[in-house]
Amino acid sequence: GQNIDQPTEMTATEGAIVQINCTYQTSGFNGLFWYQQHAGEAPTFLSYNVLDGLEEKGRFSSFLSRSKGYSYLLLKELQMKDSASYLCAVRVPSGPYKYIFGTGTRLKVLA
Amino acid sequence: GAVVSQHPSWVICKSGTSVKIECRSLDFQATTMFWYRQFPKQSLMLMATSNEGSKATYEQGVEKDKFLINHASLTLSTLTVTSAHPEDSSFYICSAESPSSGSLYEQYFGPGTRLTVT
Repeated sequence: GQNIDQPTEMTATEGAIVQINCTYQTSGFNGLFWYQQHAGEAPTFLSYNVLDGLEEKGRFSSFLSRSKGYSYLLLKELQMKDSASYLCAVRVPSGPYKYIFGTGTRLKVLA
Repeated sequence: GAVVSQHPSWVICKSGTSVKIECRSLDFQATTMFWYRQFPKQSLMLMATSNEGSKATYEQGVEKDKFLINHASLTLSTLTVTSAHPEDSSFYICSAESPSSGSLYEQYFGPGTRLTVT
């Protein structure tokens, strides 16, 4: 089966650092993606990992450990506009490929 | 960046009628398009994967006779919700996949369609 878990909600303070975890058990793996979604809007791409290690993109970084089925998204210097849902998704082979989304994490940034 | 449009952005229909939602990749040819459904405060649930010129692949539990998907060209896919009922009310999002740099495939999302069935 396919299972991707994330914490449901997190709260952090403006200017702080927050880490959002994602654990997955999937039939096959061809990359892990992180998306940000504001309420009522479509998801936007944040980061992508296919090999183990850390990928950094400005205030956002994402880490992957394929052997542990684990990833995290790190957000630094939090801003109020970072209040949103964060979705991790795994691209899996399925004639040819498809994306399985995690449960999503709603992040609230407080002043 | 690549743009995906979705039309309509919102629709209200009566129970028993059918609704068609269009998804277009505006500036690239999409090898694969995906249709998702999202309930309030929940994540995206994949409904089906659509490849141009072939039948859509539906996820388990998704009724293919109720959610008709047509992928007529590399830039257009449509989802028709047939005989809609109030429980079909949801946010429907399409996406189009295209190769980016190296081995990366990027998924570009449409803005979504909010369907309300009365």
